[in-house]
Amino acid sequence: DVKVTQSSRYLVKRTGEKVFLECVQDMDHENMFWYRQDPGLGLRLIYFSYDVKMKEKGDIPEGYSVSREKKERFSLILESASTNQTSMYLCASSPGESLTDTQYFGPGTRLTVL
Amino acid sequence: SQKIEQNSEALNIQEGKTATLTCNYTNYSPAYLQWYRQDPGRGPVFLLLIRENEKEKRKERLKVTFDTTLKQSLFHITASQPADSATYLCALGGYSSASKIIFGSGTRLSIRP
Repeated sequence: DVKVTQSSRYLVKRTGEKVFLECVQDMDHENMFWYRQDPGLGLRLIYFSYDVKMKEKGDIPEGYSVSREKKERFSLILESASTNQTSMYLCASSPGESLTDTQYFGPGTRLTVL
Repeated sequence: SQKIEQNSEALNIQEGKTATLTCNYTNYSPAYLQWYRQDPGRGPVFLLLIRENEKEKRKERLKVTFDTTLKQSLFHITASQPADSATYLCALGGYSSASKIIFGSGTRLSIRP
């Protein structure tokens, strides 16, 4: 079974802090994604990566950056956390043939910014 | 702009009945459509994929239909059980390998005993 793990289930940070969210997948998938999920808005794509050291902006990249130094690990960075970044953050991975392949999600990190 | 609509109101169904969820889309010609299940506090889990040239797909108690003329997919759970209670998301994928999946906001389904 594909396993996608995220470093924290719950995280509380203060405004202005730098926040790191880590995601690791164990199935040698090429593609990795970061989403945020808010009530009524569904899943919104922040960034994705189709290869090591490659990254592409999604629909809402402002205020975020990412890093993919190793194939299995994709990190999301909030440079200076703000209260409007309080959300559920979901990491996903998919095999390399297409970005539209079935995605495998991690359990999510619920981030609260005070 | 591309838009996916799922019923934002929760659907409450008596155990044993068939639950039917709807996914409508506009300004998009998807190559396929996926359905995911999401439990509270968890990430979505893939259930079924149906391609644009397929009318219907089944998996155990699940059935998905895809009508590209109506721009609509229906997701059915037959003989529903309380364990089927969850939020169900539909997602669209394009023809290009570089296009990204677009997710709907989901419909919450509750099956009462």
